[in-house]
Amino acid sequence: GDSVTQMEGPVTLSEEAFLTINCTYTATGYPSLFWYVQYPGEGLQLLLKATKADDKGSNKGFEATYRKETTSFHLEKGSVQVSDSAVYFCALTLSQAGTALIFGKGTTLSVSS
Amino acid sequence: GAVVSQHPSRVICKSGTSVKIECRSLDFQATTMFWYRQFPKQSLMLMATSNEGSKATYEQGVEKDKFLINHASLTLSTLTVTSAHPEDSSFYICSAPGQGAHREQFFGPGTRLTVL
Repeated sequence: GDSVTQMEGPVTLSEEAFLTINCTYTATGYPSLFWYVQYPGEGLQLLLKATKADDKGSNKGFEATYRKETTSFHLEKGSVQVSDSAVYFCALTLSQAGTALIFGKGTTLSVSS
Repeated sequence: GAVVSQHPSRVICKSGTSVKIECRSLDFQATTMFWYRQFPKQSLMLMATSNEGSKATYEQGVEKDKFLINHASLTLSTLTVTSAHPEDSSFYICSAPGQGAHREQFFGPGTRLTVL
């Protein structure tokens, strides 16, 4: 079945370090891919998305490129901040109306100053 | 962007009681809403799909008589945890798809349920 696998955390970085969180997927059809972020005590917020192969999603300095050949959607940021500390979820949905998201297990990022 | 609200944000109840959680789409209509459950330090697991005007569709392993879902209108879905027990304590999150071509999901802020 369809699934999302992302690297296990926690990831601990110093401020201004480079961040990569790996995400790979298995899906029938042509999924849309998402990264969601969950700050402590809050609900999920969409961080970025890509809806077709080679698309690059970007937001708040984060980027991820939809790689169909490697079935990957790795999240990157060149210089993390303390305020980026959160749990990051990779997710997919099939490009059909109203289908639910399939989530990875989440990766906790902790950034220290 | 579209906004989804949940109420209450936190609830503490005694074992054996029932708890109702509301999920509302505030500025758009949603014929479908999704209910997820999130255990501590784990991912979101889809519990059920709430369908306006028809029965909810439950995922395998989710007790439909335990988790009652009612999609009363195009902007409201409710999840009732019946005869709650401590193992039902969790973070419950709803979402609704927007109107865009790829039906981006908009999430509610979640409800923290603690059963004593």
